[in-house]
Amino acid sequence: KQEVTQIPAALSVPEGENLVLNCSFTDSAIYNLQWFRQDPGKGLTSLLLIQSSQREQTSGRLNASLDKSSGRSTLYIAASQPGDSATYLCAVIGSSYKLIFGSGTRLLVRP
Amino acid sequence: DAGVIQSPRHEVTEMGQEVTLRCKPISGHNSLFWYRQTMMRGLELLIYFNNNVPIDDSGMPEDRFSAKMPNASFSTLKIQPSEPRDSAVYFCASSSRTGEGSPLHFGNGTRLTVT
Repeated sequence: KQEVTQIPAALSVPEGENLVLNCSFTDSAIYNLQWFRQDPGKGLTSLLLIQSSQREQTSGRLNASLDKSSGRSTLYIAASQPGDSATYLCAVIGSSYKLIFGSGTRLLVRP
Repeated sequence: DAGVIQSPRHEVTEMGQEVTLRCKPISGHNSLFWYRQTMMRGLELLIYFNNNVPIDDSGMPEDRFSAKMPNASFSTLKIQPSEPRDSAVYFCASSSRTGEGSPLHFGNGTRLTVT
């Protein structure tokens, strides 16, 4: 059974700092991994999708990496801004076509 | 593109009542998912459809829960009878195809409170 874990559960950083969020999964047989952002009271917004054959994806200040063999992914946020404050969730999809989510990292970027 | 549309945004009901949540996926998407989010359990997949056909409903907690997708543009999640432990945010999501390569698009959710 696939399990997804995110560390840390919460993170508070000053504006401008570069930061890394971590995601690990137990079953390396995945099709892809997605990173989402969730603002309070809102749905999830897809940030980046990494195919199983890829090592990383970049979008603006965001960079996500994937190491299938070790069951790990990281989301790197450069030059963080207060507007980046949100909960970040990673999710993997495998042969069952179910997207399995981690519990998220709650990020606060202080002005 | 209006995105995934869910209604109602909030629902407050008494224990024992029937609750119906509605979802309109993004036009052209052929996969639809229902998720439930709580503080204790995070995001749980309840059921997903591919081309209007239920593929996996193993996440549906009990027989009190049922979901339908009568056509490509509409789905419902029904709880009958509702119980206080059903209180959660219910999300609907759609994608252009299941499997790899297709990001999921979420609606804003329905916050259900059962008293």
